[in-house]
This record gives sequence, C-alpha cells and structure tokens, in this order.
Amino acid sequence: EPEVTQTPSHQVTQMGQEVILRCVPISNHLYFYWYRQILGQKVEFLVSFYNNEISEKSEIFDDQFSVERPDGSNFTLKIRSTKLEDSAMYFCASAGQNTEAFFGQGTRLTVV
Amino acid sequence: KNEVEQSPQNLTAQEGEFITINCSYSVGISALHWLQQHPGGGIVSLFMLSSGKKKHGRLIATINIQEKHSSLHITASHPRDSAVYICAVNKGGSEKLVFGKGTKLTVNP
Repeated sequence: EPEVTQTPSHQVTQMGQEVILRCVPISNHLYFYWYRQILGQKVEFLVSFYNNEISEKSEIFDDQFSVERPDGSNFTLKIRSTKLEDSAMYFCASAGQNTEAFFGQGTRLTVV
Repeated sequence: KNEVEQSPQNLTAQEGEFITINCSYSVGISALHWLQQHPGGGIVSLFMLSSGKKKHGRLIATINIQEKHSSLHITASHPRDSAVYICAVNKGGSEKLVFGKGTKLTVNP
C-alpha cells in the first residue's frame, strides 16, 4: 500500500539553527500539507501546497517557515531559525483529487 | 471557541463493548474525517464523509449535515482499538483540515 514517508523520525536542534524536515508524498497525489502537533495539543494546519505553489497558509506559517518541492518526489519544510516553541511533532500529508489525506509518521522536532 | 468539538475527551471501555465517539462542528464543511492516532504519534485516516454513513470492518461513521454532528462507532471493541480518535473537517472550500482535540480511548481486556 502506498504511504507518505518522513525523515528524520526525530530531530534535535539548537535554538537558532535551521532545520529541514523531509517528506516523500504518495506519487500520484496533487495536494501536499504540513501540520504540527505541540505535545498535548491538537493538530494544527501550517501550509498547503498545490501546483508548485503555496495554496493556503496559517498564521503560524510566518517568514521563518518555507516549503519546497525541489523535484518530483520530495516535499520539504524548512524552519530558518528555530525557537523553543517550534518543538512539536510535524506531520506531512498528501491527497489526491477529492480523496482523504494520507499522513506520514511524523518528525518529532526538539529545540534545545 | 473551537470549531470542532469532540466528546468525550477520555473513554475507558471493557473489551467487547460498543463505543461511540461524538463530533460537533460549527462551520460549513465540505467533508468530515475520522482519524486514528496511536501512541507512537502516527495518524491514520479511517473515514472521509460528506453525507450518510460508512462502514469498515468494526468501525462505522455517520454524519448529520443539518445537525452538524458526526459519530464514530466501534463494535466489539478490542484492546488494540486503544488510541486517540480525532475528528477533523474541511471548512467550506478549503483543502486544509481543522482538527478536534481528540478522544483518548482505552479498551481494557
């Protein structure tokens, strides 16, 4: 069964450092998303990406965040200068036209 | 106020019991999703609904668009059903999901 894969599964970084979270969506999907879940809280939308551009973003997704689909398979989330409050589980998801979203297993980001 | 509310927040059941988890929403939606999150953190999609009822194995999901309410039922519950069950909606024409806080289900043997 096709799946969304995320790497790394766990990332520890120093405050102020840049991190790149990587995702390989399901190959024939058209819509790509990043969500995050701070420990003990609900899942929150960050950004959606369609047709090689951002289609929607939340207030959380400020200038410190960027997304890229550098080739036909990868979808990355970059945080330029991490803050302690960026510590969370980050989920990548992808969807086809009018289909449910398929989620990756998540990357647990810890900023110290 | 949260746009998606779930109840109960926590639920403990004995193996074999019939489980119901409820979700109410306050916005116009194009679809409602039920998702399962295991302790390791991964999220699995269970159902996507825009009307009526869907069944998959021991899981049944229903939605009442007029009442803005959905239920997830688990028949003959089993300890392996223990997880957090999350309701999420696509608001209006948006592709993004708006999540509820989740219901933590524990099924004891």
